[in-house]
Amino acid sequence: EEQLLESGGGLVQPGGSLRLSCAASGFTFSDYAMRWVRQAPGKGLDWVAVIGYSGTYYADSVRGRFIISRDNSNNMLYLQMNTLRVEDTAVYYCVKGLTLASTWGQGIVVTVSP
Amino acid sequence: QSALTQPASVSGSPGQSITISCTGTSSDVGDSKYVSWYQQHPGKAPKLMIYEVTNRPSGVSNRFSGSKSGNAASLTISGLQAEDEADYYCSSYTSSSNLVFGGGTKVTVL
Repeated sequence: EEQLLESGGGLVQPGGSLRLSCAASGFTFSDYAMRWVRQAPGKGLDWVAVIGYSGTYYADSVRGRFIISRDNSNNMLYLQMNTLRVEDTAVYYCVKGLTLASTWGQGIVVTVSP
Repeated sequence: QSALTQPASVSGSPGQSITISCTGTSSDVGDSKYVSWYQQHPGKAPKLMIYEVTNRPSGVSNRFSGSKSGNAASLTISGLQAEDEADYYCSSYTSSSNLVFGGGTKVTVL
């Protein structure tokens, strides 16, 4: 069974940093592009960043502040979030796939507040 | 990239069929075979229900079906059941690894 398990969320002040991690299992991690997708409270879904064979890509709202990376040896996905803003408050999901989101983690809460 | 347009809510009685629309542009839905649909129950992670416009992942009920015409995609739920009450999101993969989502539709089973 494919599983994704996020960790590293929490409460941080505006301007602060946080690093999210995602442990993958049940599939050949290195074969797939991986994304981070977020959902602000009461809102819809927004992709944040993706990493695949062709490189890394970011949504306009986080480009220059967030960095996505992966460790294929340990089946881990990361999201380094810098210069956090109140509007970055959301549940962050680790997601498998490039053209679709085939498997989702349970989500991790990130709250940016003074 | 603007979100795809979905109706805020759709409702139906048990056993009925409902259809959720997802409207984009010629740059996303109209130009992509990679249209997907997701179901999200409150407090839970989304679940893939339809991919590449019409395909169902293993384990998804055949009561769920997808289609596309021009710049609009649709998800139809047949034989509506209480467990289908959830939020539904469409997505379209475009160039530059962009995965644009719809704003979501709340399905209510009356």
